[in-house]
Amino acid sequence: ELKVEQNPLFLSMQEGKNYTIYCNYSTTSDRLYWYRQDPGKSLESLFVLLSNGAVKQEGRLMASLDTKARLSTLHITAAVHDLSATYFCAVGDNAGNMLTFGGGTRLMVKP
Amino acid sequence: DVKVTQSSRYLVKRTGEKVFLECVQDMDHENMFWYRQDPGLGLRLIYFSYDVKMKEKGDIPEGYSVSREKKERFSLILESASTNQTSMYLCASRESYNEQFFGPGTRLTVL
Repeated sequence: ELKVEQNPLFLSMQEGKNYTIYCNYSTTSDRLYWYRQDPGKSLESLFVLLSNGAVKQEGRLMASLDTKARLSTLHITAAVHDLSATYFCAVGDNAGNMLTFGGGTRLMVKP
Repeated sequence: DVKVTQSSRYLVKRTGEKVFLECVQDMDHENMFWYRQDPGLGLRLIYFSYDVKMKEKGDIPEGYSVSREKKERFSLILESASTNQTSMYLCASRESYNEQFFGPGTRLTVL
């Protein structure tokens, strides 16, 4: 059974600081997805990582995937208040059908 | 842009009622999914469908059924709603191996 763990579950940070969210998973997969969810809203796709060593960047967010370590990271650079949201990673099964989600990281960026 | 719509944003039902949640996508995606999201438990897959009239159980199918009569529409049915089915329900669709696109969610309260 695939298990996906994110940490931290909650992150409070000051504007301008850097931080990394970690996503560990338990079985082999080379499909990793990051989503953002604002309070009361649905999930918005941020990044799709489909191979070992994949790195994608959008603004102040950068995601990477290490399939050997079964680890993905979401790095936040010089955080701003607008990044406050809950971030989920999700791992695809090898059949390409199902996603297993991590528990989410609630990020609060304080001025 | 992919659009996934859900029939209701908020729904209040009584214990024992039959509840229909409908999801429609406009991108001719083959795969559609129903999740529920609960605080502290993340997103859990209830059912998914990879083609018309085809369905597969997810992690928590008990108490639910689904229907997919047309490619664009995927319905989640609660045969006899119970209070422990109070939750946020999210529908998603995708093409094979790509990221899932989520609808706005339906917040269901069962009294």
